[in-house]
Amino acid sequence: QKEVEQNSGPLSVPEGAIASLNCTYSDRGSQSFFWYRQYSGKSPELIMFIYSNGDKEDGRFTAQLNKASQYVSLLIRDSQPSDSATYLCAVKKGSGGSYIPTFGRGTSLIVHP
Amino acid sequence: KAGVTQTPRYLIKTRGQQVTLSCSPISGHRSVSWYQQTPGQGLQFLFEYFSETQRNKGNFPGRFSGRQFSNSRSEMNVSTLELGDSALYLCVSSFGTGELFFGEGSRLTVL
Repeated sequence: QKEVEQNSGPLSVPEGAIASLNCTYSDRGSQSFFWYRQYSGKSPELIMFIYSNGDKEDGRFTAQLNKASQYVSLLIRDSQPSDSATYLCAVKKGSGGSYIPTFGRGTSLIVHP
Repeated sequence: KAGVTQTPRYLIKTRGQQVTLSCSPISGHRSVSWYQQTPGQGLQFLFEYFSETQRNKGNFPGRFSGRQFSNSRSEMNVSTLELGDSALYLCVSSFGTGELFFGEGSRLTVL
């Protein structure tokens, strides 16, 4: 079983809809969770991070963490065509800098007008 | 504030050759990591350097090596190149706590 799993997609949603991206992880001791966005031909960039169970909102983005079920999700409200990208979930065993994140393979999101 | 700079951006090599990739992290960042990204395997961690010392290492063969200089600049080297080494190599700069800053990558093609 891969440590961090994501559905590769593509996930296709219409403009203005809510896109829901999911990620599961195998290490129950994981403490830090990150979502990165990667446009085609570009390098990943951080969208959000979450450390505690529950929801964390930042503009149109909401990260949700459920440690008991070992999943983290990213909701994108009012999806725009510019949101079309691959979204990478990353999980760290600790919050310190010496811990290396493990990345999922990413979910491709397509937002069509 | 300048971002993470990687050189060269593109390169083509043949099997058996070696390659050296360079990375300049964001000023003040002491942690530099290297990742390999391929369509089949996604982002795979190679190694991390902190204050010139290798602090973490991924599961790659010894043909992959790296180092960090006193000014935090880092290089990675791949010797005896194989076709499967064709990938995007990403340098990552970090202040230490969480957020990773990615360079634009060096795209290596091995023929």
